[in-house]
Formats: sequence, structure tokens, C-alpha cells
Amino acid sequence: QQQVKQSPQSLIVQKGGIPIINCAYENTAFDYFPWYQQFPGKGPALLIAIRPDVSEKKEGRFTISFNKSAKQFSLHIMDSQPGDSATYFCAASKRQETSGSRLTFGEGTQLTVNP
Amino acid sequence: EPEVTQTPSHQVTQMGQEVILRCVPISNHLYFYWYRQILGQKVEFLVSFYNNEISEKSEIFDDQFSVERPDGSNFTLKIRSTKLEDSAMYFCASSKPRGAFYMETQYFGPGTRLLVL
Repeated sequence: QQQVKQSPQSLIVQKGGIPIINCAYENTAFDYFPWYQQFPGKGPALLIAIRPDVSEKKEGRFTISFNKSAKQFSLHIMDSQPGDSATYFCAASKRQETSGSRLTFGEGTQLTVNP
Repeated sequence: EPEVTQTPSHQVTQMGQEVILRCVPISNHLYFYWYRQILGQKVEFLVSFYNNEISEKSEIFDDQFSVERPDGSNFTLKIRSTKLEDSAMYFCASSKPRGAFYMETQYFGPGTRLLVL
């Protein structure tokens, strides 16, 4: 119930390509879905996030598509660049009234963008 | 831009020893978290902390673990008697309270790599 499944495990694209990373969740109580980017030796950094009342959110070259009925969401990176090479994690949480909201992370996708 | 800081960046310890990992969250944040990431695996939640007490903890966070906010700025994770399987990267995170339409953003520190020998 608490799991978030992410695929693919790794992805290699050419510069300018559009990598797509997919995540699926079970817990319908989740109401916040962020994507984090992590470079080697660094902490995860928030990239973009969405609430389940919208189907798509775009910030710069990054777009989240959200399908509430299928309990799936995905990250698209437009015009990918070598500097986008990193590990991407999807996550989910549910709002707590009186405490912080634990993030449940997917397994991660290692993206390589070749020049 | 404010950031979460963590010390030390690396810690090597012998099995059975106590370690304390330190974090300075972003100053106006109220929720604090510890996560861990075993090499090559996903990030896992350990514990959340609010108003000077634990809000939630995972099954990983057993009696060997404790957290404390000893003063107005630091947030610590103590492992009382380390095991080999505690070797991981430990991340501290902090966030502001999430309002009705505000999406909580957890800001992560750079992590402490703990190696238990």
C-alpha cells in the first residue's frame, strides 16, 4: 500500500531526446507527488511536484503527467541535455494535519544523456 | 539561498560504537526528517520530528535510533550500537508546514556517508 514503483531502472538517450520515467502508486490517500533529482554524492533536490487535482504540470523543460484513475504519474524531460544526467526519484506523500509528511520514494532511474 | 547542512560528510566507525549525525535545518522550517539511502538503493524514510517530538517513524527506526533537537538550530540522529547494515548515506531534510493549497517541499542536506566496519 505504501509502495511507489518506478521504471525504468536506467535510461540512456541522446542529447535533445525526451526521456520518460514512470511511477505507479497504490495508496489513494497520497496527495502530493514530487520528483527529485540526485547527482552523485549529493542529496536529492526537488525538481517539480504535482497535486492530484491537476493532470499536467510544466516547469521549464520538465513536465509531470498525472493519471489519477490509473494511479500513475510520469516525468518527461524535453530537449534533454548531458547536464540532466542524474538519478531521478519519484515520491509520494499524504498530508498530515499535525506533523510532517513522510515521503515514499520510488526505486530511482539513472538517466544518461549522451552528447 | 538557505540550505540544510550536515556534519560530518563521512563517518567511519566500528560495529557496536555509537555515532551521532548532525544536521542544521533551514531556519524557519518546523518539520524535520531523517532518511537513509543504502548504496544503489532508494531513499527510505526513518523518522519525522515536529514540536520537539517524533511525529512518525518507520520500521527501520528501532530502539537503536534516537533523534534530538538539543537547541534551536541543530537536529541530531544517534545510533546507539552500530551494525554493519547501518552503513548508508543518511540525509536530513526539513520543510515548512503545508497549508491547504501549499505543497510541502522537503529540502535535503548533502548527507553523511556512514561506514560501519
